Amino acid sequence: DAKTTQPPSMDCAEGRAANLPCNHSTISGNEYVYWYRQIHSQGPQYIIHGLKNNETNEMASLIITEDRKSSTLILPHATLRDTAVYYCIVRPQGGGADGLTFGKGTHLIIQP
Amino acid sequence: EAEVAQSPRYKITEKSQAVAFWCDPISGHATLYWYRQILGQGPELLVQFQDESVVDDSQLPKDRFSAERLKGVDSTLKIQPAELGDSAMYLCASSLAFPSGTQYFGPGTRLLVL
Repeated sequence: DAKTTQPPSMDCAEGRAANLPCNHSTISGNEYVYWYRQIHSQGPQYIIHGLKNNETNEMASLIITEDRKSSTLILPHATLRDTAVYYCIVRPQGGGADGLTFGKGTHLIIQP
Repeated sequence: EAEVAQSPRYKITEKSQAVAFWCDPISGHATLYWYRQILGQGPELLVQFQDESVVDDSQLPKDRFSAERLKGVDSTLKIQPAELGDSAMYLCASSLAFPSGTQYFGPGTRLLVL
């Protein structure tokens, strides 16, 4: 069972910041939050991950609340190519079997 | 930029036939994963390898699916016999670190069973 809850769809205007929320209220202390996206008919693409501190890379920023029960992925200046399904995944660190458990994600549509 | 390679990209087969998919992970990545993605759903793990050893195949339908990674590099996923319900995207991913390395996905093989 997926441990995250995401809105099924969101719209954002091109050039604006896209803020994608994710709830993970049952997250454990050793679990990271990962974000992937999947553009139509392609394989999932890694975006960013974090444990408790906010993270930023060339693609996006990840804001994790202090209690770690929710997070927000921010695409600072959305373009039409950012239209995709975005998956928020909670993943334990350590152990052997570590396949990702995907939910249904958020379908983000960037409007021109 | 190094990428996971998969072939074929598309496959059409008839039910009861055998079908095979190939994956070449990013060079140096010891951990390899196969996922299946049914249309409209997120990917689901089928099998995980660490080098040539199976770490997790609990979700692999072993009556018809098999996977191997004989030399710990590239991998083959086979279905025999294929059923209509096997129509899906088959994704391969690899990671450098074990455990818990970031997984990088290939483009996938889209299978249609008629």
